[in-house]
Amino acid sequence: DAGVTQSPTHLIKTRGQQVTLRCSPISGHKSVSWYQQVLGQGPQFIFQYYEKEERGRGNFPDRFSARQFPNYSSELNVNALLLGDSALYLCASSLWGQNTEAFFGQGTRLTVV
Amino acid sequence: GIQVEQSPPDLILQEGANSTLRCNFSDSVNNLQWFHQNPWGQLINLFYIPSGTKQNGRLSATTVATERYSLLYISSSQTTDSGVYFCAVGDYNAGNNRKLIWGLGTSLAVNP
Repeated sequence: DAGVTQSPTHLIKTRGQQVTLRCSPISGHKSVSWYQQVLGQGPQFIFQYYEKEERGRGNFPDRFSARQFPNYSSELNVNALLLGDSALYLCASSLWGQNTEAFFGQGTRLTVV
Repeated sequence: GIQVEQSPPDLILQEGANSTLRCNFSDSVNNLQWFHQNPWGQLINLFYIPSGTKQNGRLSATTVATERYSLLYISSSQTTDSGVYFCAVGDYNAGNNRKLIWGLGTSLAVNP
């Protein structure tokens, strides 16, 4: 079975540009979450989606948005990129509920220049 | 919100040595996971362990939820164990929100 897949794996963008990152969850998983990890830190929660609805949002500006599609895949969009948006973006897939295990993709490494 | 503290922040071992990594959390949790992040950034699931003890080969973990800590044991370490080990907890008070709160990690280097 395929794990969580993210694309692209690496990306270089210029300040002010927009970027879209993609994630496909494990088959059967209906919940997708996004995390940002900057160097030397643990991941920080950005969004959680379940059944195409936003179920949680972290402390990130409105430049960050996401959506989930009927096949449960998800996109994370970041507008007006800043240098500080350079990070590893991680997608997590899980079943729905409190006591379930999250599985992560390999991440997208975004560099803003 | 819940705070997660991991110790030690850095650890250097000789191949074959044993080690214990600790994760303390500040409030009740409904989920606790240990991950190994490899140099390419991939997070590898080690244990899903909100309570109790589990073992998987040379690795084992124990969570004492009432005392708000978890331990990860690595025995007979190998160079491939190098990387960053993260503890992440789910917030009990957040309902069905699957938000994970992470520590800063323990950076492990195993020398041959």
